[in-house]
Amino acid sequence: EDQVTQSPEALRLQEGESSSLNCSYTVSGLRGLFWYRQDPGKGPEFLFTLYSAGEEKEKERLKATLTKKESFLHITAPKPEDSATYLCAVRSEAGTALIFGKGTTLSVSS
Amino acid sequence: EAQVTQNPRYLITVTGKKLTVTCSQNMNHEYMSWYRQDPGLGLRQIYYSMNVEVTDKGDVPEGYKVSRKEKRNFPLILESPSPNQTSLYFCASTLRVGSNQPQHFGDGTRLSIL
Repeated sequence: EDQVTQSPEALRLQEGESSSLNCSYTVSGLRGLFWYRQDPGKGPEFLFTLYSAGEEKEKERLKATLTKKESFLHITAPKPEDSATYLCAVRSEAGTALIFGKGTTLSVSS
Repeated sequence: EAQVTQNPRYLITVTGKKLTVTCSQNMNHEYMSWYRQDPGLGLRQIYYSMNVEVTDKGDVPEGYKVSRKEKRNFPLILESPSPNQTSLYFCASTLRVGSNQPQHFGDGTRLSIL
C-alpha cells in the first residue's frame, strides 16, 4: 500500500533558524513526489515536483531533495511569512490519486 | 487568472438535506478530483474524473456522488448528508493524470452537518 509519513508534525523556529522537514514514502513505482504549502483557510499551493532520486529543486528559501525512500524540504533562514503547513504527496506509476502525508505545521517567530 | 473555484465556501446544514458543492476550473484540465481534509487524517480522495463522463471512486466515496457533464465543472453531491461528512472539502484539477503536472486546488468548502 502506498504510504506517506511526514515528520515532525509541528516545528517552531526562530526567524533565521534553518531546519528541515522530512517526508518518508513507500510507493510501488514513484511517478512523482510533490510538495505543497497550505495556509489557514486556503487550498494547498504547489511548490515542487521531484521525479527521481538525487533530484533537487529550489525556490527562494526552500530547497527540496529526493532519495529513494524520503524527501526533505530544507528551509534556510526562515521568515515569519514562511509559517504554514507543508504537505508532501506521492503518485505511483499505477495510481491516479495523490497520496498525501498529514503535513508539518511550521511556525516561525520574529 | 488560472484557478479552481468552489462554491459555497462555507455551509451549515442539517442531516438529510441534499446539497451540492460546485467546482469549476478555467484551465481546460481533463483530470478533476475531490478531497476531504480532516484533522489527523490529512487529505483523502473522494472521487475523481479523468475526462468528461468518466468518473471513479477514490479512497472514501461512501455517501457522495459526482458528475462530469462538462470539462470545466465537477460538482460534489451529498444526497443525504450525515454528521460524519462534516469536513473541509477541496476540489483539484490537473492537465491529465499522466502529464505529471501538479494538481491545482481550490480554496476549499467547509461543511458542517448538524
